Amino acid sequence: DAGVIQSPRHEVTEMGQEVTLRCKPISGHNSLFWYRQTMMRGLELLIYFNNNVPIDDSGMPEDRFSAKMPNASFSTLKIQPSEPRDSAVYFCASSFSANTGELFFGEGSRLTVL
Amino acid sequence: GENVEQHPSTLSVQEGDSAVIKCTYSDSASNYFPWYKQELGKGPQLIIDIRSNVGEKKDQRIAVTLNKTAKHFSLHITETQPEDSAVYFCAATTGNQFYFGTGTSLTVIP
Repeated sequence: DAGVIQSPRHEVTEMGQEVTLRCKPISGHNSLFWYRQTMMRGLELLIYFNNNVPIDDSGMPEDRFSAKMPNASFSTLKIQPSEPRDSAVYFCASSFSANTGELFFGEGSRLTVL
Repeated sequence: GENVEQHPSTLSVQEGDSAVIKCTYSDSASNYFPWYKQELGKGPQLIIDIRSNVGEKKDQRIAVTLNKTAKHFSLHITETQPEDSAVYFCAATTGNQFYFGTGTSLTVIP
């Protein structure tokens, strides 16, 4: 398996622009997580899905952030409008949740908002 | 919710020496404790894990211990090598949601 695939790996945009980050989880995994990593706050859980359904989005910073999982093999995290404080590395991770299984991370999307 | 604390935040050791990273957790219902290694520019990767029904687990040069009563668990790396230099994260979970420590930046000095 290719692992969790994220795109883009790097994104530089200007304040106010819309940003869409994409994730393809490992085939067969039924839980998907979006994390944000910054030096100040470490790894923060933004939202997670189980069987394509959002279970906990309490970590989503504000209404500018939204996430979808239209099917088992694809998820998006959207920021609209983006702000400089959104600059961070965003990780997608997936797991087979039936037995508190291992969490597999993608390589991350490094976002810079100017 | 769960609260995971990790110490130290930075650690430097001479090559060949041992490194120990410690974590504490607050939720006694947590039952799975993985450790992740993150190299520069990459995503965290699982290196070892332990479940609550086990007190210790070893995999070559790395080992993890768990004290459920005290709610703490530790990562031990023996005979450290330069390629062990990375950021290490502990985590705790009762189910789907993983709670991460703040990370330890380990530097192994050749």
